[in-house]
Amino acid sequence: EMQLLESGGGLVQPGGSLRLSCAASGFTFSNYAMSWVRQAPGKGLEWVSTISGSAYSTYNADSVKGRFTISRDNSKNTLYLQVNSLRAEDTAVYYCAKHRMGGLHDAFDFWGQGTMVTVSS
Amino acid sequence: EIVLTQSPGTLSLSPGERATLSCRASQSFSSIYLAWYQQKPGQAPRLLIYGASSRATGIPDRFSGSGSGTDFTLTISRLEPEDFAVYYCQQYGTSLPYTFGQGTKLEIK
Repeated sequence: EMQLLESGGGLVQPGGSLRLSCAASGFTFSNYAMSWVRQAPGKGLEWVSTISGSAYSTYNADSVKGRFTISRDNSKNTLYLQVNSLRAEDTAVYYCAKHRMGGLHDAFDFWGQGTMVTVSS
Repeated sequence: EIVLTQSPGTLSLSPGERATLSCRASQSFSSIYLAWYQQKPGQAPRLLIYGASSRATGIPDRFSGSGSGTDFTLTISRLEPEDFAVYYCQQYGTSLPYTFGQGTKLEIK
């Protein structure tokens, strides 16, 4: 059974950092591009970052460029999002999502349950 | 950036009725890069449709997608009680960033 389990969220002060993790199982992790998508409380979905299966290619939304870094460890079947210089507007549930057929430009066919990041003093 | 605008913002219908949700893009793109998701409160989104018209695994055939260019539609032929949720369209094409529409809330009338 396919699973994506996010962790690492929490309450952090403005300017702080966190590392979010997404542990994958039930599929050949290295064959699939992965993405992070966030959702602020009561708001819609916002794409954050994407990484190819080999980790060769990464993409980030302009709103997080220079502050967030996506990475993966295929030996551990784990996706990461290092979030630095956090702002109040980064408060959201962060979901990891698997790309359907593995390519970068593909729909997200499986999502984790999310991890909440709250930025507040 | 391709902006996706969904309409209506809220759709009030009864079980058994037909729902038609619209997603309009600010510029044309290939329909192979258009998806629809369903999200229920407290849950992660679920992929319904990819490539504008292909149903994802396990999705009932009352869900269908259509469209091309800048205009896309999700149709639910006969609403079941479990279909009342928020629906998002998304483009995931080669023109980054990937973007989502703002969502359509489908509520019970």
